[in-house]
Amino acid sequence: GAGVSQTPSNKVTEKGKYVELRCDPISGHTALYWYRQSLGQGPEFLIYFQGTGAADDSGLPNDRFFAVRPEGSVSTLKIQRTERGDSAVYLCASSRLINTGELFFGEGSRLTVL
Amino acid sequence: GEDVEQSLFLSVREGDSSVINCTYTDSSSTYLYWYKQEPGAGLQLLTYIFSNMDMKQDQRLTVLLNKKDKHLSLRIADTQTGDSAIYFCAETDSGGYQKVTFGTGTKLQVIP
Repeated sequence: GAGVSQTPSNKVTEKGKYVELRCDPISGHTALYWYRQSLGQGPEFLIYFQGTGAADDSGLPNDRFFAVRPEGSVSTLKIQRTERGDSAVYLCASSRLINTGELFFGEGSRLTVL
Repeated sequence: GEDVEQSLFLSVREGDSSVINCTYTDSSSTYLYWYKQEPGAGLQLLTYIFSNMDMKQDQRLTVLLNKKDKHLSLRIADTQTGDSAIYFCAETDSGGYQKVTFGTGTKLQVIP
């Protein structure tokens, strides 16, 4: 597709369950980002990939959060043992390697942990 | 670490100018950005300014950068109801790659 695609758009789960969120970036974009946005807040950085490798994962809140990008395109954010505090909109963005830093965002995956 | 702050809310009348302000802490920022988020939509880049510039104008948008005070502003001329949205200030990290740090967002309400 032409833009960044995220699935699912909405996910409701129970506390303690495992969740996967998928991001399909714009074709040819080597950089991929995950952000988390809580209600009334700005996007909070989680992790950044350059190609297949995580260049910066300093924003992951704890070891329950993990992300992969095995072939340098699609990425999956994985959350183990979900907690109510994980409820948020998870945003994915992609960009070209060398540019002004413009990020192209998907519409997000809204996660609700009951 | 980096910190980007904005006021939470701004209300203006249609046709007036809007000015949204932002302060940041990272003196090594390379680019500073304004993103717009409409309800139910993803963030979209509105405009950006390189750190060696003081001003950038793009149609109804004017960005002013005061590096000394680490202050960034976005002026929207002739504000329209379609401009109602949340506006995020953002900056690049100084670490040599393109981690982007966002502010908390300013909700702009345009009154007809």
